[in-house]
Amino acid sequence: GAVVSQHPSRVICKSGTSVKIECRSLDFQATTMFWYRQFPKQSLMLMATSNEGSKATYEQGVEKDKFLINHASLTLSTLTVTSAHPEDSSFYICSATPGNYGYTFGSGTRLTVV
Amino acid sequence: SQQGEEDPQALSIQEGENATMNCSYKTSINNLQWYRQNSGRGLVHLILIRSNEREKHSGRLRVTLDTSKKSSSLLITASRAADTASYFCATLRVSGNTPLVFGKGTRLSVIA
Repeated sequence: GAVVSQHPSRVICKSGTSVKIECRSLDFQATTMFWYRQFPKQSLMLMATSNEGSKATYEQGVEKDKFLINHASLTLSTLTVTSAHPEDSSFYICSATPGNYGYTFGSGTRLTVV
Repeated sequence: SQQGEEDPQALSIQEGENATMNCSYKTSINNLQWYRQNSGRGLVHLILIRSNEREKHSGRLRVTLDTSKKSSSLLITASRAADTASYFCATLRVSGNTPLVFGKGTRLSVIA
């Protein structure tokens, strides 16, 4: 149980375009989901906390207008990278907790902006 | 913000040897968790230790927690080539829907 599905696993886009990444909790409801970004050979940095039915909470230094988060249902959160640039190329991972302190992670999305 | 610091940053050992990774953190925590990540992939939860626990075992894994020193260690015994991965500690400050904060990670290479 407690599976988080993340799509797409890989995406290549042109500079200036937008990319949407989906994160779904398959067998539990997630009022909160977390989005992380990971650059090569580095750790996961929390970008934002996605809250169902309300605005996301962004970490300091993360542009909310660039990384749009929508959490419209109890099982789906989306991260849209708007007007993507090469420096946005990274590995994006979502996470949710079904409770009992356990955290489940999506398999990640590798974004390459060319 | 990132609060965990792991050392070493990279570790290379022979198959069959033990691997020890350390993690330090800065604030009080509810629990500390260790994760494994194969190159370019998602995270796999390994073990969780609560703030009132000092040691925990799971198979070939042994985790210790010293809250007075704000540090934890992960020991992998009898390592295998398949253990080659990056290992991260992650702390949870309070219970509820709060995020995990990850350390910088240790890249472990186990040579067959």
